[in-house]
Amino acid sequence: SAVISQKPSRDICQRGTSLTIQCQVDSQVTMMFWYRQQPGQSLTLIATANQGSEATYESGFVIDKFPISRPNLTFSTLTVSNMSPEDSSIYLCSVDSDRGGYTFGSGTRLTVV
Amino acid sequence: AQRVTQPEKLLSVFKGAPVELKCNYSYSGSPELFWYVQYSRQRLQLLLRHISRESIKGFTADLNKGETSFHLKKPFAQEEDSAMYYCALGDRGGYQKVTFGTGTKLQVIP
Repeated sequence: SAVISQKPSRDICQRGTSLTIQCQVDSQVTMMFWYRQQPGQSLTLIATANQGSEATYESGFVIDKFPISRPNLTFSTLTVSNMSPEDSSIYLCSVDSDRGGYTFGSGTRLTVV
Repeated sequence: AQRVTQPEKLLSVFKGAPVELKCNYSYSGSPELFWYVQYSRQRLQLLLRHISRESIKGFTADLNKGETSFHLKKPFAQEEDSAMYYCALGDRGGYQKVTFGTGTKLQVIP
């Protein structure tokens, strides 16, 4: 299965600023998925990123708040913009696994103060 | 709409006791069910999927379409099974949007 390197692993940010999270995959993949896990809650899909096209956002998530880049088949970034304390979450990227299901990155724990 | 329900936030069992982590789903399409596990300080990883009908680390799960359930079972719990377990639902027929349950923390007491 693919191996995903995600960084940063954690960050503490001031409200109003932005943070860019990076995911690097060790093989080429068509789709990359970005999830958010708020404290005590389940994983929620933010968007799906295909190389060469705009990301597809789920209901409740917008490009201005969570811009995504997908410059090639092994890399993607998610930016959390104009952060507020409500954005404090774990952010995860994932790709399809050859076993079925997903392979996940290690996650980015974001705290907004 | 896809929905996954894991009714228990925490399940505590003694070592050697049977384990059953409950998962119910709601979906009108062709469901594909998964169990994911997250051990302490490790990343979320796939444990098993219903299509494979496999046993991983002694765990099995059977899809019951009549009861819309996909409970995870193990006959004898081990301390190393202590972890967070997530049930997840995808669509076999098309776009693989996956919906996750809220998770159950399994605590195996020595």
